[in-house]
Amino acid sequence: NAGVTQTPKFRVLKTGQSMTLLCAQDMNHEYMYWYRQDPGMGLRLIHYSVGEGTTAKGEVPDGYNVSRLKKQNFLLGLESAAPSQTSVYFCASRNYRGTMNTEAFFGQGTRLTVV
Amino acid sequence: EDKVVQSPLSLVVHEGDTVTLNCSYEVTNFRSLLWYKQEKKAPTFLFMLTSSGIEKKSGRLSSILDKKELFSILNITATQTGDSAVYLCAVSGSSGDKLTFGTGTRLAVRP
Repeated sequence: NAGVTQTPKFRVLKTGQSMTLLCAQDMNHEYMYWYRQDPGMGLRLIHYSVGEGTTAKGEVPDGYNVSRLKKQNFLLGLESAAPSQTSVYFCASRNYRGTMNTEAFFGQGTRLTVV
Repeated sequence: EDKVVQSPLSLVVHEGDTVTLNCSYEVTNFRSLLWYKQEKKAPTFLFMLTSSGIEKKSGRLSSILDKKELFSILNITATQTGDSAVYLCAVSGSSGDKLTFGTGTRLAVRP
């Protein structure tokens, strides 16, 4: 059972470079989320998706873009990386059970450093 | 804007102590409240609460929700060093099905 898989696990970028983080889930979940976690800040929502082809902004969307072309994949892009985007990024997914959402399942995280 | 506030921010106890972690929230059309434990990597799921007054229990951990007063508590009895972690609370409402997290409570259990 793979669950939620994030790639890469670690990355160092220079300021101004671009990159894409990939999140893949094999649980056929409708909802997918991208969070960033900084010391003392908990998990802050960047963007999320409630289904294939849909995306929405979260709490801290500036500097990021996302795409959900396939149900199982949710991509997070940084067009021009800045040191303020140094963080640990988590992807999560969840689904419905009856009329209720299920718990969210998390990937193992991507540690990104922008120098 | 959904909001989750956890207290205390950090806590140091000795093995065998009982701890209570607090989570208060503001959310439009509340659906569920979730507790997670985070050690070094990804958060792992503990409980999901949807109904007021019904306790969820797993071993030494238990949690209860008060929808009238908009808060939840997570209790850990007979703490062990393996309980050392950050405990995260999250809420889900109907405003786009976001899952909003608090900043977490960092628990340290000393031998």
